Amino acid sequence: EAGVTQSPTHLIKTRGQQATLRCSPISGHTSVYWYQQALGLGLQFLLWYDEGEERNRGNFPPRFSGRQFPNYSSELNVNALELEDSALYLCASSLGQGKQYFGPGTRLTVT
Amino acid sequence: KNEVEQSPQNLTAQEGEFITINCSYSVGISALHWLQQHPGGGIVSLFMLSSGKKKHGRLIATINIQEKHSSLHITASHPRDSAVYICAVRVRGSQGNLIFGKGTKLSVKP
Repeated sequence: EAGVTQSPTHLIKTRGQQATLRCSPISGHTSVYWYQQALGLGLQFLLWYDEGEERNRGNFPPRFSGRQFPNYSSELNVNALELEDSALYLCASSLGQGKQYFGPGTRLTVT
Repeated sequence: KNEVEQSPQNLTAQEGEFITINCSYSVGISALHWLQQHPGGGIVSLFMLSSGKKKHGRLIATINIQEKHSSLHITASHPRDSAVYICAVRVRGSQGNLIFGKGTKLSVKP
C-alpha cells in the first residue's frame, strides 16, 4: 500500500511569490493535515481538511490556505512569501481521527 | 510554558542500552502520539495511545492519564535508532490538530 506522498520534494521561491505544495493521502484516508517545521521551532499545526472541508486551522496568517479535492488529495498555497516561511512542510493523513501517517515533506526555501 | 514538554532534549547512549524518553503535558487529551524523525525530515508514527501500554518490537510506550505523563522506552538500543523522537497530543475536544513537544534527539553509539 502506498504511503502519503508529497510534491515537490524541494521548492525554491523568492520573497513575494506564491508557492503551491501538494499531498496525496493513503488510499481510503479522508483527513489531511498540514504542518510546518521551521528551523529551531518544532512542528506546528497549519490546516486540517476532512471530506473536502477545512475543519481547523492553526495560528497562521490568511496567506496560508489550501483545499482538499474530491479524491482527498490536498494542496497548500502560501501567498506573498516571506523569508520566515522557509521550512519543511509536512502532510499527514488519517482515517477519521486515528493514527496520522506522515509524508516525506516539501522543503521550501524563500530567498 | 509549553503544553507538551519532553525530556531529555538530547540523549547519547551506547549500543545495547535501555533508553527512556519522557513526555509531560498540561492539557486534557484524547490521544498521545510518539513520532520518530530521521535526518532529512521524514516522520514515522510509532504509537498512538490513550491509555495503558503499547509494544512494537523493541519499542514500548506507556501513558498515565492521571499524571499526564507518557514514556517511550527502547530496549537493546541500536545505532539505527538514532533520530529525533517527538511526543504530540490531541487536546480533548479539539478539532483534529496535534500539539507537539520539541523533540528528544537520540544518538546511539556503536
